[in-house]
Amino acid sequence: GQNIDQPTEMTATEGAIVQINCTYQTSGFNGLFWYQQHAGEAPTFLSYNVLDGLEEKGRFSSFLSRSKGYSYLLLKELQMKDSASYLCAVRDRSASGGSYIPTFGRGTSLIVHP
Amino acid sequence: DTEVTQTPKHLVMGMTNKKSLKCEQHMGHRAMYWYKQKAKKPPELMFVYSYEKLSINESVPSRFSPECPNSSLLNLHLHALQPEDSALYLCASSQEMSSYNEQFFGPGTRLTVL
Repeated sequence: GQNIDQPTEMTATEGAIVQINCTYQTSGFNGLFWYQQHAGEAPTFLSYNVLDGLEEKGRFSSFLSRSKGYSYLLLKELQMKDSASYLCAVRDRSASGGSYIPTFGRGTSLIVHP
Repeated sequence: DTEVTQTPKHLVMGMTNKKSLKCEQHMGHRAMYWYKQKAKKPPELMFVYSYEKLSINESVPSRFSPECPNSSLLNLHLHALQPEDSALYLCASSQEMSSYNEQFFGPGTRLTVL
């Protein structure tokens, strides 16, 4: 199975840049997702990485290094509305019997202050 | 229509009650999922339906009974629940289970068992 580790909480200032790290251990890595979840709401998809490198999408970018079992989510030009939990989810083909169901990390609560 | 809907939004039930949670999507997705999420914890997978057949049951107690009447609908029947079953129940869907696809989540049903 997977062992997914993220920081529990981070704080940052409006307008700044923040990097949320995720490390994982799998035996059959098959992709990593980042989701955003506001309190009391459903997770919403942010990004997907399966190959090494950086994927950029507007203010959000996600990086993956498969050899290091490491990903980060980079948020630029932070806004107050970015205060949310950020979930790293890893798909391990061997753990899920050949299916593609991701397992979620515990999430990082990001607090953006003025 | 890129939305997953869930009803009810909130549900309070006693331990002897029988109730059902409903989930609907009209994106033509053939994989549908039930997750349970406790406060400040990541979503935990409960069940996965693929092409209206139950594909994954993550050792969920029998007091939770899923049903997929057709490709757009997913139900979760609840009977004789315990207070520790109180949580946010999230439904999600994706195009297929057996290939990369992002999951689209519904807003969830906030369940309280008294």
